[in-house]
Amino acid sequence: DIQLTQSPSSLSASVGDRVTITCRTSQSITGYLNWYQQRPGQAPKVLIYAVSSLQSGVPSRFSGSGSGTNFTLTISSLQPEDFATYYCQLSYTPPFTFGPGTKVDI
Amino acid sequence: QVQLVQSGAEVKKPGASVRVSCKASGYTFTSSAFSWVRQAPGQGLEWMGWISVYSGERYYAQNFQDRVTMTTDSSTNTAYMDLRSLRSDDTARYYCARQSSKFGSPADYWGQGTLVTVSS
Repeated sequence: DIQLTQSPSSLSASVGDRVTITCRTSQSITGYLNWYQQRPGQAPKVLIYAVSSLQSGVPSRFSGSGSGTNFTLTISSLQPEDFATYYCQLSYTPPFTFGPGTKVDI
Repeated sequence: QVQLVQSGAEVKKPGASVRVSCKASGYTFTSSAFSWVRQAPGQGLEWMGWISVYSGERYYAQNFQDRVTMTTDSSTNTAYMDLRSLRSDDTARYYCARQSSKFGSPADYWGQGTLVTVSS
């Protein structure tokens, strides 16, 4: 099975900052890599699917990129509602593994 | 609008079984699949398995293969997850999440989660 790692595991940032989170896979993948945001006490919410496609209704400050084994989620200008935990996930073929998460706080 | 409404919290003793339900509305149930994902207190997301409503095809994570069964009922638009031989480390919030019946799609709608507590 393909393993996912995320870095950093946590970060502190300020409103307006540009934030980049990395997800690395143990094998090269074809591109079905998704990103989710989870706020405390809430269910996860998909932000980015298929590496770089913005889910409907998600603000354009979120973007995804990458290929092979390295993928990134970028928040161009952090907003107060963006303080949350972010997870990457494979969806090309089962198991649809999640990364360990990156907590973004103030 | 798409909604996934899960059953209420459960408290179980070690060794028991639990069934969590996920009632879907607002879309064509048979066109979808469901992933089940759990989250232990303070921990990350753990994918448990996937089931296609249309084909019945299912895949379980290796960690759960011997203890989990996922089913769907198209007459009531409900997905179910049964977990057997519960242990204390199965204490978690369990989520259902809708996906396309084809691989590659993200989980675009999630239930509210069902807290399962395993304690003697």
